[in-house]
Amino acid sequence: AQSVTQPDIHITVSEGASLELRCNYSYGATPYLFWYVQSPGQGLQLLLKYFSGDTLVQGIKGFEAEFKRSQSSFNLRKPSVHWSDAAEYFCAVVSSYNTDKLIFGTGTRLQVFP
Amino acid sequence: DVKVTQSSRYLVKRTGEKVFLECVQDMDHENMFWYRQDPGLGLRLIYFSYDVKMKEKGDIPEGYSVSREKKERFSLILESASTNQTSMYLCASSPRRGWTEAFFGQGTRLTVV
Repeated sequence: AQSVTQPDIHITVSEGASLELRCNYSYGATPYLFWYVQSPGQGLQLLLKYFSGDTLVQGIKGFEAEFKRSQSSFNLRKPSVHWSDAAEYFCAVVSSYNTDKLIFGTGTRLQVFP
Repeated sequence: DVKVTQSSRYLVKRTGEKVFLECVQDMDHENMFWYRQDPGLGLRLIYFSYDVKMKEKGDIPEGYSVSREKKERFSLILESASTNQTSMYLCASSPRRGWTEAFFGQGTRLTVV
């Protein structure tokens, strides 16, 4: 079955440090991939998406992600984290069986220390 | 900007009550979704709709039903609330069939006592 794995449940970084959040997917064809962020008490906001083309995708708030087909990965990166980046991050892939559906990972909670 | 509005941020209901969670979007989107979010489980799809009066089951439809009488409004119904339905519920919409970006509401935190 299709799935999205976010192996890190909780990550803590210092403000100004670089960040990489991992995402692996299982999918037969070229996937449509997304990263969403959820600030405390809020809904989800789209950070970036990959449909095709350039495998390095730029998003909002200084985030980027790289699609690596050989590793079935779509890791999210930011060169310098700000305290306001503390949130929960979700990776998602469009279902190959029903293109109206998103399959989400279990999320990674990011904590930022000053 | 697309706006997806959920009628309540917090709800407390008693076991056995019938509960309605309302969601409205203002961008004429075709697709609407209800997700449930629980710690360690991520978001799980309950139901979705791609047209008025159309609905499809998601991954965890048991104990829930939905209604879409107008394009902009999608309601989630708990026929008889139970404590294991205590959760965060998120509504989302997307413009059309076939995948495009989804826009989410702020969520309703439901507690069933």
